[in-house]
Amino acid sequence: KAGVTQTPRYLIKTRGQQVTLSCSPISGHRSVSWYQQTPGQGLQFLFEYFSETQRNKGNFPGRFSGRQFSNSRSEMNVSTLELGDSALYLCASSRDSVTGELFFGEGSRLTVL
Amino acid sequence: GQQLNQSPQSMFIQEGEDVSMNCTSSSIFNTWLWYKQDPGEGPVLLIALYKAGELTSNGRLTAQFGITRKDSFLNISASIPSDVGIYFCAGQPLGSGSGSRLTFGEGTQLTVNP
Repeated sequence: KAGVTQTPRYLIKTRGQQVTLSCSPISGHRSVSWYQQTPGQGLQFLFEYFSETQRNKGNFPGRFSGRQFSNSRSEMNVSTLELGDSALYLCASSRDSVTGELFFGEGSRLTVL
Repeated sequence: GQQLNQSPQSMFIQEGEDVSMNCTSSSIFNTWLWYKQDPGEGPVLLIALYKAGELTSNGRLTAQFGITRKDSFLNISASIPSDVGIYFCAGQPLGSGSGSRLTFGEGTQLTVNP
């Protein structure tokens, strides 16, 4: 059974640019959530999508957005990048949106210069 | 918002020793989970706990959901070199509205000397 796949694995952007990250969940999983991981703030919840609907959103500015497609694949977008957006962005999938048993991808490491 | 205080921040132990780490919070959590993250990888779920007082084992790992619902601990027995990594506690806050909205602790960096 294939795991959670995230692309790209690494990317470098400059301030002001925007970025789109992609996530393919485990087959059959309908919930996809996104987390930001930084040395200073640790793992922080960004948002969750379930059946193409955003179910929950963390405390991040509106520059952070996402969506989920009918095949459960998800994308997140960050516009007008800031230096502080440099982080590892982790996607996690789950069968449902109840148990908290998340299966994480390897992450997309974003560096903003 | 809710915060999880995880301790210790780091541990340096000899192979074969037992390890204990814990998480506490001022808020109640519905669920406690323990994840491990290796370098360059995403966190991997080790143990999930759903009821106050629950004690669950997974091989050499044992974790408990505190009776007050505000704490949890993880024990690793007879450590081996592949136990090296960062261990995170995570909780599903009461009223979070979603099982996927987890609050994570700061992590415990475990180093095992052969």
